[in-house]
Amino acid sequence: EPEVTQTPSHQVTQMGQEVILRCVPISNHLYFYWYRQILGQKVEFLVSFYNNEISEKSEIFDDQFSVERPDGSNFTLKIRSTKLEDSAMYFCASSEVQGRGPQHFGDGTRLSIL
Amino acid sequence: GENVGLHLPTLSVQEGDNSIINCAYSNSASDYFIWYKQESGKGPQFIIDIRSNMDKRQGQRVTVLLNKTVKHLSLQIAATQPGDSAVYFCAENGSSASKIIFGSGTRLSIRP
Repeated sequence: EPEVTQTPSHQVTQMGQEVILRCVPISNHLYFYWYRQILGQKVEFLVSFYNNEISEKSEIFDDQFSVERPDGSNFTLKIRSTKLEDSAMYFCASSEVQGRGPQHFGDGTRLSIL
Repeated sequence: GENVGLHLPTLSVQEGDNSIINCAYSNSASDYFIWYKQESGKGPQFIIDIRSNMDKRQGQRVTVLLNKTVKHLSLQIAATQPGDSAVYFCAENGSSASKIIFGSGTRLSIRP
């Protein structure tokens, strides 16, 4: 069964450094998403992406964050100048349709900011 | 994904019995609902979905019920197995076309 894959599984970064989290969505999907889950909290939406543009973003997704689809298979989340509170699990998801179809999630990247 | 430390409602069920996990949603504009299962160290795994024009949908060993009048969603798991142990999240699309909103989750544990 096709799946969303994320790398790395765990990223440890010094505060203030930039980090790039990588995702390979399911190949025939056109809609891509990033979510995060801070330890002890709910899964929170960050951003959705379609046709090389951001469709929607949450208040969390400020100028520190950016997303890119650099080629036909990868979808990345960049976090500039990381802060301690950016420590969380970051999940990538993709879907075939938008709004009324399931989003399929990867197993996440655990980001630890020191 | 880690839910350690998350103060989740917990449901403990005898192996072989049926499980019912409940969820209240808040947004009347939601017209699409999903149940996800999250095992330790993994991402949310899609189980079953339902649109607001339906009140029941069945999958393999799972049934989702939707009551729009009271904004309530439930997931029924038949003949619960040890592999069903996980945190279960309901999710809704709210008034958005592109994001889903997760509930706080229920931890299901299975007694042998």
